[in-house]
Amino acid sequence: RKEVEQDPGPFNVPEGATVAFNCTYSNSASQSFFWYRQDCRKEPKLLMSVYSSGNEDGRFTAQLNRASQYISLLIRDSKLSDSATYLCVVSAKSSGDKLTFGTGTRLAVRP
Amino acid sequence: ETGVTQSPTHLIKTRGQQVTLRCSSQSGHNTVSWYQQALGQGPQFIFQYYREEENGRGNFPPRFSGLQFPNYSSELNVNALELDDSALYLCASKSRANTEAFFGQGTRLTVV
Repeated sequence: RKEVEQDPGPFNVPEGATVAFNCTYSNSASQSFFWYRQDCRKEPKLLMSVYSSGNEDGRFTAQLNRASQYISLLIRDSKLSDSATYLCVVSAKSSGDKLTFGTGTRLAVRP
Repeated sequence: ETGVTQSPTHLIKTRGQQVTLRCSSQSGHNTVSWYQQALGQGPQFIFQYYREEENGRGNFPPRFSGLQFPNYSSELNVNALELDDSALYLCASKSRANTEAFFGQGTRLTVV
Protein backbone atom coordinates (compact mmCIF):
# COMPACT_ATOMS: atom_id res chain seq x y z
CA ARG A 1 0.00 0.00 0.00
CA LYS A 2 1.32 3.45 -0.93
CA GLU A 3 1.93 5.90 1.90
CA VAL A 4 -0.15 8.58 0.19
CA GLU A 5 -2.96 7.57 -2.17
CA GLN A 6 -4.76 9.77 -4.66
CA ASP A 7 -7.12 9.16 -7.55
CA PRO A 8 -4.93 9.87 -10.61
CA GLY A 9 -7.88 11.19 -12.63
CA PRO A 10 -7.97 12.87 -15.04
CA PHE A 11 -10.81 15.04 -13.89
CA ASN A 12 -12.22 16.83 -16.92
CA VAL A 13 -14.52 19.70 -15.91
CA PRO A 14 -16.02 22.79 -17.57
CA GLU A 15 -15.02 26.29 -16.56
CA GLY A 16 -16.94 27.44 -13.50
CA ALA A 17 -17.38 23.94 -12.09
CA THR A 18 -16.57 22.91 -8.54
CA VAL A 19 -14.22 19.96 -8.24
CA ALA A 20 -12.98 18.03 -5.21
CA PHE A 21 -9.86 15.89 -4.80
CA ASN A 22 -9.33 13.40 -2.01
CA CYS A 23 -6.24 11.84 -0.55
CA THR A 24 -5.54 9.27 2.18
CA TYR A 25 -2.30 8.71 4.05
CA SER A 26 -1.10 5.70 6.02
CA ASN A 27 1.43 7.15 8.50
CA SER A 28 -0.50 8.13 11.62
CA ALA A 29 2.57 10.07 12.81
CA SER A 30 2.17 12.55 9.94
CA GLN A 31 2.04 16.08 11.28
CA SER A 32 2.18 18.42 8.29
CA PHE A 33 0.00 18.33 5.23
CA PHE A 34 0.13 20.19 1.95
CA TRP A 35 -1.28 20.48 -1.51
CA TYR A 36 1.21 21.23 -4.26
CA ARG A 37 0.37 22.11 -7.83
CA GLN A 38 2.54 20.88 -10.70
CA ASP A 39 2.26 22.07 -14.28
CA CYS A 40 3.46 19.82 -17.09
CA ARG A 41 7.26 19.35 -16.97
CA LYS A 42 7.64 21.98 -14.23
CA GLU A 43 8.50 21.82 -10.54
CA PRO A 44 5.83 21.38 -7.83
CA LYS A 45 4.67 24.65 -6.32
CA LEU A 46 3.14 24.94 -2.88
CA LEU A 47 -0.57 25.67 -3.23
CA MET A 48 -1.49 25.60 0.44
CA SER A 49 -0.75 24.00 3.75
CA VAL A 50 -3.63 22.07 5.31
CA TYR A 51 -4.64 22.65 8.92
CA SER A 52 -6.84 20.59 11.22
CA SER A 53 -9.43 23.35 11.37
CA GLY A 54 -9.60 23.53 7.60
CA ASN A 55 -8.44 26.53 5.64
CA GLU A 56 -9.44 28.55 2.65
CA ASP A 57 -7.46 30.61 0.15
CA GLY A 58 -9.72 32.31 -2.36
CA ARG A 59 -11.38 29.62 -4.47
CA PHE A 60 -9.43 26.83 -2.78
CA THR A 61 -10.50 25.06 0.43
CA ALA A 62 -8.50 22.33 2.14
CA GLN A 63 -9.73 19.98 4.85
CA LEU A 64 -7.96 17.48 7.09
CA ASN A 65 -9.52 14.59 8.98
CA ARG A 66 -6.83 13.13 11.23
CA ALA A 67 -9.07 10.35 12.56
CA SER A 68 -9.71 9.05 9.04
CA GLN A 69 -6.26 10.08 7.77
CA TYR A 70 -7.92 11.89 4.91
CA ILE A 71 -7.18 15.19 3.18
CA SER A 72 -9.29 17.02 0.62
CA LEU A 73 -9.00 19.97 -1.73
CA LEU A 74 -12.02 21.79 -3.13
CA ILE A 75 -11.70 24.16 -6.08
CA ARG A 76 -14.68 26.42 -6.75
CA ASP A 77 -15.38 28.33 -9.97
CA SER A 78 -12.69 26.47 -11.93
CA LYS A 79 -10.56 28.48 -14.34
CA LEU A 80 -8.70 27.26 -17.42
CA SER A 81 -5.49 28.17 -15.57
CA ASP A 82 -6.32 25.63 -12.83
CA SER A 83 -5.46 22.80 -15.27
CA ALA A 84 -2.53 21.02 -13.66
CA THR A 85 -1.64 18.02 -11.50
CA TYR A 86 -2.44 18.40 -7.81
CA LEU A 87 -0.12 16.56 -5.44
CA CYS A 88 -1.13 15.58 -1.93
CA VAL A 89 1.88 15.70 0.40
CA VAL A 90 2.46 14.72 4.04
CA SER A 91 5.45 14.86 6.34
CA ALA A 92 6.34 13.71 9.85
CA LYS A 93 8.95 14.95 12.30
CA SER A 94 9.78 11.30 13.01
CA SER A 95 10.83 10.99 9.37
CA GLY A 96 12.94 14.13 9.45
CA ASP A 97 10.24 16.22 7.77
CA LYS A 98 10.81 14.47 4.44
CA LEU A 99 7.92 15.08 2.07
CA THR A 100 5.92 12.03 0.99
CA PHE A 101 3.98 12.62 -2.20
CA GLY A 102 0.98 11.01 -3.75
CA THR A 103 1.11 10.30 -7.47
CA GLY A 104 -1.03 13.36 -8.14
CA THR A 105 -4.48 14.02 -9.57
CA ARG A 106 -4.71 15.52 -13.04
CA LEU A 107 -7.25 18.27 -13.59
CA ALA A 108 -8.24 19.51 -17.05
CA VAL A 109 -10.59 22.51 -17.17
CA ARG A 110 -12.26 22.96 -20.55
CA PRO A 111 -13.86 26.14 -21.97
CA GLU B 1 10.04 32.54 -7.96
CA THR B 2 11.16 30.39 -5.04
CA GLY B 3 14.81 31.48 -5.02
CA VAL B 4 15.90 27.84 -5.36
CA THR B 5 18.00 27.31 -8.49
CA GLN B 6 19.22 24.10 -10.05
CA SER B 7 21.74 23.39 -12.77
CA PRO B 8 21.84 22.16 -15.38
CA THR B 9 18.19 22.21 -16.51
CA HIS B 10 18.65 19.32 -18.94
CA LEU B 11 21.28 16.64 -19.28
CA ILE B 12 21.83 13.57 -21.43
CA LYS B 13 24.22 10.88 -20.19
CA THR B 14 25.22 7.41 -21.28
CA ARG B 15 24.57 4.33 -19.16
CA GLY B 16 27.50 3.74 -16.78
CA GLN B 17 28.55 7.38 -16.62
CA GLN B 18 28.50 9.58 -13.54
CA VAL B 19 26.56 12.84 -13.09
CA THR B 20 26.59 15.76 -10.66
CA LEU B 21 23.55 17.98 -10.22
CA ARG B 22 23.66 21.26 -8.32
CA CYS B 23 21.24 23.24 -6.20
CA SER B 24 21.38 26.67 -4.58
CA SER B 25 18.95 26.99 -1.71
CA GLN B 26 16.77 29.96 -0.91
CA SER B 27 18.39 32.60 1.28
CA GLY B 28 17.94 31.72 4.95
CA HIS B 29 17.18 28.05 4.27
CA ASN B 30 19.60 25.57 5.82
CA THR B 31 17.89 22.30 4.87
CA VAL B 32 18.05 20.87 1.37
CA SER B 33 16.29 17.75 0.10
CA TRP B 34 16.55 15.92 -3.21
CA TYR B 35 13.73 14.10 -4.95
CA GLN B 36 13.48 11.94 -8.06
CA GLN B 37 10.32 12.16 -10.15
CA ALA B 38 9.75 9.55 -12.84
CA LEU B 39 7.19 10.19 -15.55
CA GLY B 40 3.64 9.91 -14.24
CA GLN B 41 4.74 9.51 -10.61
CA GLY B 42 4.99 11.76 -7.60
CA PRO B 43 8.45 12.85 -6.43
CA GLN B 44 10.34 10.25 -4.36
CA PHE B 45 12.61 11.33 -1.49
CA ILE B 46 16.30 10.60 -2.08
CA PHE B 47 17.97 12.30 0.91
CA GLN B 48 18.11 15.45 2.99
CA TYR B 49 20.97 17.60 4.27
CA TYR B 50 21.00 19.91 7.27
CA ARG B 51 24.10 21.90 8.15
CA GLU B 52 26.28 19.81 5.82
CA GLU B 53 25.19 16.48 7.34
CA GLU B 54 22.88 13.92 5.76
CA ASN B 55 19.93 13.57 8.14
CA GLY B 56 17.53 11.36 6.23
CA ARG B 57 17.66 8.99 3.28
CA GLY B 58 15.04 7.32 1.14
CA ASN B 59 15.13 3.95 -0.54
CA PHE B 60 17.92 4.70 -3.01
CA PRO B 61 21.16 2.72 -3.52
CA PRO B 62 24.57 4.04 -2.35
CA ARG B 63 25.48 5.14 -5.87
CA PHE B 64 23.22 8.13 -5.11
CA SER B 65 25.28 10.42 -2.88
CA GLY B 66 25.28 14.06 -1.96
CA LEU B 67 26.97 16.98 -0.32
CA GLN B 68 25.94 20.21 1.33
CA PHE B 69 28.33 23.15 1.46
CA PRO B 70 28.77 25.84 4.16
CA ASN B 71 26.59 28.22 2.12
CA TYR B 72 23.86 25.49 2.18
CA SER B 73 24.05 24.81 -1.55
CA SER B 74 24.05 21.14 -2.41
CA GLU B 75 25.10 18.54 -4.96
CA LEU B 76 23.56 15.23 -5.94
CA ASN B 77 25.95 12.69 -7.45
CA VAL B 78 24.85 9.55 -9.23
CA ASN B 79 27.42 6.93 -10.23
CA ALA B 80 27.09 4.06 -12.70
CA LEU B 81 24.00 5.55 -14.33
CA GLU B 82 21.21 3.17 -15.33
CA LEU B 83 18.43 3.73 -17.86
CA ASP B 84 15.89 3.83 -15.00
CA ASP B 85 17.68 6.85 -13.53
CA SER B 86 16.10 8.93 -16.29
CA ALA B 87 13.83 11.34 -14.41
CA LEU B 88 13.28 14.88 -13.20
CA TYR B 89 15.53 15.56 -10.21
CA LEU B 90 14.16 18.16 -7.84
CA CYS B 91 15.85 20.06 -5.06
CA ALA B 92 13.81 21.61 -2.26
CA SER B 93 14.94 23.96 0.46
CA LYS B 94 13.40 25.03 3.74
CA SER B 95 14.38 26.47 7.06
CA ARG B 96 14.66 24.12 10.03
CA ALA B 97 11.86 25.93 11.85
CA ASN B 98 9.38 25.78 9.00
CA THR B 99 7.70 22.75 7.42
CA GLU B 100 7.02 24.40 4.05
CA ALA B 101 9.53 23.47 1.34
CA PHE B 102 10.14 25.24 -1.96
CA PHE B 103 11.39 23.57 -5.10
CA GLY B 104 13.84 24.51 -7.80
CA GLN B 105 12.87 24.10 -11.44
CA GLY B 106 14.51 20.68 -11.59
CA THR B 107 17.09 18.94 -13.74
CA ARG B 108 15.74 16.61 -16.40
CA LEU B 109 18.20 13.74 -16.75
CA THR B 110 18.01 11.34 -19.67
CA VAL B 111 20.19 8.22 -19.62
CA VAL B 112 20.67 6.53 -22.98
